[in-house]
Amino acid sequence: GAVVSQHPSRVICKSGTSVKIECRSLDFQATTMFWYRQFPKKSLMLMATSNEGSKATYEQGVEKDKFLINHASLTLSTLTVTSAHPEDSSFYICSARIPGGAADTQYFGPGTRLTVL
Amino acid sequence: AQSVTQLDSQVPVFEEAPVELRCNYSSSVSVYLFWYVQYPNQGLQLLLKYLSGSTLVKGINGFEAEFNKSQTSFHLRKPSVHISDTAEYFCAVNDKLFGNEKLTFGTGTRLTIIP
Repeated sequence: GAVVSQHPSRVICKSGTSVKIECRSLDFQATTMFWYRQFPKKSLMLMATSNEGSKATYEQGVEKDKFLINHASLTLSTLTVTSAHPEDSSFYICSARIPGGAADTQYFGPGTRLTVL
Repeated sequence: AQSVTQLDSQVPVFEEAPVELRCNYSSSVSVYLFWYVQYPNQGLQLLLKYLSGSTLVKGINGFEAEFNKSQTSFHLRKPSVHISDTAEYFCAVNDKLFGNEKLTFGTGTRLTIIP
């Protein structure tokens, strides 16, 4: 149980286009999902906390208008990278939290590798 | 703010030898501690976690970690490594504050097993 999927696993796009990444909790409902960004050979940086039915909470330094997060249902959160540029190329990972649990109940997706040409 | 230090960015180890990956955290409050493993181009998989109770925690794949409050450490160990253990290992911490769901990750340690 507690499986989180991401789609797509890899995406290549042209500079200036927008890309949507989906994060789904497959066998549980997640009121809270997290979006991380991982640079090559670096750790995970929390970008934002996504709560179902409300606005996402962004970490300091993360552009809200650039990284649009929508958590419209208890099993789906989306991250849209708008007007992508090469510097947005990265590995994006989501995690989902089981309601009522502590930090130990975060389950991570397999990640999405974004390459912006 | 929380911080997690993984002193070793890369650790090469011969197959069947023991290994210890170091993790130190900075916190004046009680914490939850985690070790995650990341295989190439994949997400994170939870290896083990310390929430409370026994300071020696056993996880999957033969790994264990010991919580040392006085040294603010949570080192990961395995008595005999296998080729399949080659991966990136991340230590993470969450402080036990109400409403704080965030995990703070260390910079990772790349474990390479040498045949």
